[in-house]
Amino acid sequence: SQQGEEDPQALSIQEGENATMNCSYKTSINNLQWYRQNSGRGLVHLILIRSNEREKHSGRLRVTLDTSKKSSSLLITASRAADTASYFCASLQGAQKLVFGQGTRLTINP
Amino acid sequence: DAGVIQSPRHEVTEMGQEVTLRCKPISGHNSLFWYRQTMMRGLELLIYFNNNVPIDDSGMPEDRFSAKMPNASFSTLKIQPSEPRDSAVYFCASSLQSGSTDTQYFGPGTRLTVL
Repeated sequence: SQQGEEDPQALSIQEGENATMNCSYKTSINNLQWYRQNSGRGLVHLILIRSNEREKHSGRLRVTLDTSKKSSSLLITASRAADTASYFCASLQGAQKLVFGQGTRLTINP
Repeated sequence: DAGVIQSPRHEVTEMGQEVTLRCKPISGHNSLFWYRQTMMRGLELLIYFNNNVPIDDSGMPEDRFSAKMPNASFSTLKIQPSEPRDSAVYFCASSLQSGSTDTQYFGPGTRLTVL
C-alpha cells in the first residue's frame, strides 16, 4: 500500500483535554495536509504544512512536520465535543496526488 | 456557494449491473478527483483530471471502472459490471490547481452497495 500510517487508530479523551495524532508517510512530499471527516460526511480540509516548514498553527490546531523522520503530528488543544470525528493526514506526492493515512478516530467525551 | 455535488447519495444494486456515479465540481475549479473509501483499504485515489483531461488513472482497480469528464462542470464514474467487492463510499473532490498548496474540497460521497 502507498498509504501512510496514523497513530493511534482511535483516541478517546475528555472535553477540554488536548488531543495529539501522529502520521507517518513513505516517500518525499511537497506538502502534508490534515483533513477531518465527520461520520457519514465528506472530508474537510483543516491545515496544510509545506515540506520546508516545521510547525504551523491555525486556531486550536498545531501541526508539526519532520521530513527527516517522514512524520507529522496534529495537536488539537482544549478539545470540544464537536471535535469528535476521524482525522486523516494526506501527503502530497508529485503535483497533485494526495495519499491518505488510515485515519485516527477521535472521541471527545463531555 | 454550492460545494461539490454528488449523486446519488446512496445506491444499492445487484451484482452484474452497471452503476454510474455523478459529480459536479465547484464552479471555477479545474481539477477533479475520484476516491474510494473502504474500511479495509482506507481512502484511495482512483483517478484525477486537470482541465477535463485524465492525468493519472493508476488507481483505477480494473477495466470495469471508467471515468469521464465531458466538460468542466460534470464527471462520471462508471462500474460495469459491478461486483460485491465494489461496495464502498465513493468521493469526488475538486480543487483549483495553483501550485503546491492546492486544497481539495470533497463532496458528501455516494455510498454504493452491490448485493
